Amino acid sequence: DAKTTQPTSMDCAEGRAANLPCNHSTISGNEYVYWYRQIHSQGPQYIIHGLKNNETNEMASLIITEDRKSSTLILPHATLRDTAVYYCMGSNFGNEKLTFGTGTRLTIIP
Amino acid sequence: NAGVMQNPRHLVRRRGQEARLRCSPMKGHSHVYWYRQLPEEGLKFMVYLQKENIIDESGMPKERFSAEFPKEGPSILRIQQVVRGDSAAYFCASSTRWETQYFGPGTRLLVL
Repeated sequence: DAKTTQPTSMDCAEGRAANLPCNHSTISGNEYVYWYRQIHSQGPQYIIHGLKNNETNEMASLIITEDRKSSTLILPHATLRDTAVYYCMGSNFGNEKLTFGTGTRLTIIP
Repeated sequence: NAGVMQNPRHLVRRRGQEARLRCSPMKGHSHVYWYRQLPEEGLKFMVYLQKENIIDESGMPKERFSAEFPKEGPSILRIQQVVRGDSAAYFCASSTRWETQYFGPGTRLLVL
């Protein structure tokens, strides 16, 4: 599994875009970049994943650098409900364990 | 489509008792994963099961813990002779083959 590095915490003003970085320099060629979040000890919530190309869904956008050593999760218009711990991780697109690091605690400020 | 269901949501046990945690995967999902989150820590993988088979149990403690996913019914995580250090949130996730894991709301186990 790729080792990931994320900022411990970040703040973002409500209504602004939240940009969460993740370094995964050891990611292997067949590992996808996955993002989950955990809101106040609830079950982790899947956000998005990608391999090489940038991805967008109804929740967020994922920008992966060309060398795949880092990525950025973008929440385009953050709301108070986006306050959570955000985890990035590498995982083969198959059935294997997810390795959660310490994540980034994102606080949305009114 | 109902999500992953876990019960009970909260469980209190005295030291030495047994704890049974249940996980019903999403409809159509035949792969189940169990994770544990100790207080103020991140989630740690415990075990991965398919119907009637344990695929990866590399994160399971060697003693007192067991898991099953029978042909019919929910997956069960069983903890025998619980100790205070077992107090944690236990999360179950499910997936289809080659797909994303979706998590349940968790079971909070408190050992007195």
